[in-house]
Amino acid sequence: GQQLNQSPQSMFIQEGEDVSMNCTSSSIFNTWLWYKQEPGEGPVLLIALYKAGELTSNGRLTAQFGITRKDSFLNISASIPSDVGIYFCAGGTNDYKLSFGAGTTVTVRA
Amino acid sequence: SQTIHQWPATLVQPVGSPLSLECTVEGTSNPNLYWYRQAAGRGLQLLFYSVGIGQISSEVPQNLSASRPQDRQFILSSKKLLLSDSGFYLCAWSGLAGGPDFTYNEQFFGPGTRLTVL
Repeated sequence: GQQLNQSPQSMFIQEGEDVSMNCTSSSIFNTWLWYKQEPGEGPVLLIALYKAGELTSNGRLTAQFGITRKDSFLNISASIPSDVGIYFCAGGTNDYKLSFGAGTTVTVRA
Repeated sequence: SQTIHQWPATLVQPVGSPLSLECTVEGTSNPNLYWYRQAAGRGLQLLFYSVGIGQISSEVPQNLSASRPQDRQFILSSKKLLLSDSGFYLCAWSGLAGGPDFTYNEQFFGPGTRLTVL
């Protein structure tokens, strides 16, 4: 599948901070999805985006589908300790498959 | 609502032994089914997907195979495991079309199987 560039690779959060991560691609996607994976578990779908320019929230999470259809970002507002995990972006077209980013690992700053 | 099951949850196998991992989906009909592998600290690698009974598409050539004997059952197999087959295996499903609480491109993952080949 197409390669997605997800950044940052890792980040440290302090409780109460707003954090942001993004995904870019050289290809156009019809769908952008954001997942969170905790250790030893399968990824859980957080937000799905289907229209260019769409801005969608799920609690403290907000994600946007880029106007060019080649990028998306995820914001977490007012971080809490349970936000730690690996966040994956994924892009979909019409061929039943998703292309995944390499993930952003979020840990709590000591 | 839809649920996805995988078993076993963990497995330790010697090199050269066979493998069979099972995935079943409940609460939906004619799902698309996927097998992914995740190496430690790495992203998701699509291994196989299926859009119907008996239909399997392979993404990565290797010593693994997949089968779909029933609509909501997906099996990952190997005749002889290699050390490099170790990893976290994830099954996922998506709807062929939209449903009351999902749209067709959203994939939903199972709990995974941790495979260690020694």
